Amino acid sequence: DAGVTQSPTHLIKTRGQHVTLRCSPISGHKSVSWYQQVLGQGPQFIFQYYEKEERGRGNFPDRFSARQFPNYSSELNVNALLLGDSALYLCASSQISGSREKLFFGSGTQLSVL
Amino acid sequence: KQEVTQIPAALSVPEGENLVLNCSFTDSAIYNLQWFRQDPGKGLTSLLLIQSSQREQTSGRLNASLDKSSGRSTLYIAASQPGDSATYLCAVVGSGYSTLTFGKGTMLLVSP
Repeated sequence: DAGVTQSPTHLIKTRGQHVTLRCSPISGHKSVSWYQQVLGQGPQFIFQYYEKEERGRGNFPDRFSARQFPNYSSELNVNALLLGDSALYLCASSQISGSREKLFFGSGTQLSVL
Repeated sequence: KQEVTQIPAALSVPEGENLVLNCSFTDSAIYNLQWFRQDPGKGLTSLLLIQSSQREQTSGRLNASLDKSSGRSTLYIAASQPGDSATYLCAVVGSGYSTLTFGKGTMLLVSP
């Protein structure tokens, strides 16, 4: 079975641009979470979706938004990119809402903002 | 606000050594604690999950313990191997269930 897949794997953008990151959860998983990992730090929670509804939001500005589709895949959108948005963006999936069970992470999208 | 601290930040050991990684958290009202492994530039692999009612979990050469009252967890790796070289991250889930709060990780290097 395929694991969590994220696309693209790498992305280079310039300040002020917009970016869309995509995530496909493991088959049968209905919950998707997004995390941002800056170099040398632990991942920081951005959003969690379950059954297409937002179930949690981290301390990120409104430039960050996300949605979940009927097939449970998800997109993370970031507007007006800043240099500080450069990071590894991780998507995780689980069968149930929240983090009460093991999360399965994708390999991430490495975003560089120049 | 929950804070997770991992000590040491980096560790270098020769192959075959047993080692202990430490994790502490400030709010003991957790739902579970999870240990992850991360290879450079890659995603996270879940190693062990300990429910708040449990004291330890074991998987192969890995053993994780949890002392919720003192806000501490340890990851014990027996007979370390070069393939164990990676960053190990500890994360806790609060009563709201929705998020993991991570530490900064311990970077482990096991030399042959």
